Amino acid sequence: KAGVTQTPRYLIKTRGQQVTLSCSPISGHRSVSWYQQTPGQGLQFLFEYFSETQRNKGNFPGRFSGRQFSNSRSEMNVSTLELGDSALYLCASAERASTDTQYFGPGTRLTVL
Amino acid sequence: EDQVTQSPEALRLQEGESSSLNCSYTVSGLRGLFWYRQDPGKGPEFLFTLYSAGEEKEKERLKATLTKKESFLHITAPKPEDSATYLCAVQAGETSGSRLTFGEGTQLTVNP
Repeated sequence: KAGVTQTPRYLIKTRGQQVTLSCSPISGHRSVSWYQQTPGQGLQFLFEYFSETQRNKGNFPGRFSGRQFSNSRSEMNVSTLELGDSALYLCASAERASTDTQYFGPGTRLTVL
Repeated sequence: EDQVTQSPEALRLQEGESSSLNCSYTVSGLRGLFWYRQDPGKGPEFLFTLYSAGEEKEKERLKATLTKKESFLHITAPKPEDSATYLCAVQAGETSGSRLTFGEGTQLTVNP
């Protein structure tokens, strides 16, 4: 099976712009979670989607949003970008929710100038 | 609030020199503890899942164990290709879904 794919792999944006990142989960996986990784804060949970519904949300401002489509693919959007949003954004998929193992994609490296 | 602490932050070993990485956790209702390996610029790669105290899992030179307060990742006779950051994460609580809470990681360097 193909792994989790994320596009684009690299992005450079300027402050105030918005960005959309895409994630395609492993075939058959219905749960998709998003994480932000920075050197200072480590890996932090953004949100989780299961069957097109947001099940959980981390402690991030409303500028961060996401959605999931009927084929389980997911997108996350960040509006009004700030310098501090520069990070590696990781998507993870699991077969269901609960304690199923999450498999991560390669990430999207976002740089905000 | 769930807390995960990993130690040491960084570890340098000579090839063949065995050691252990520690992951201590404070959570309410542990549902699973996960170990991942992450290489620079890549996403975390799954290694192990442990569900209950006393459980052990092995894969090649790695062995993970779990107690009620902490987990250890034992590395036996490491090779340079084992160099990476090792991340520990927990799932806890009844309403957190798939949410993982990560530790800061241990950066392992194995010198030839």
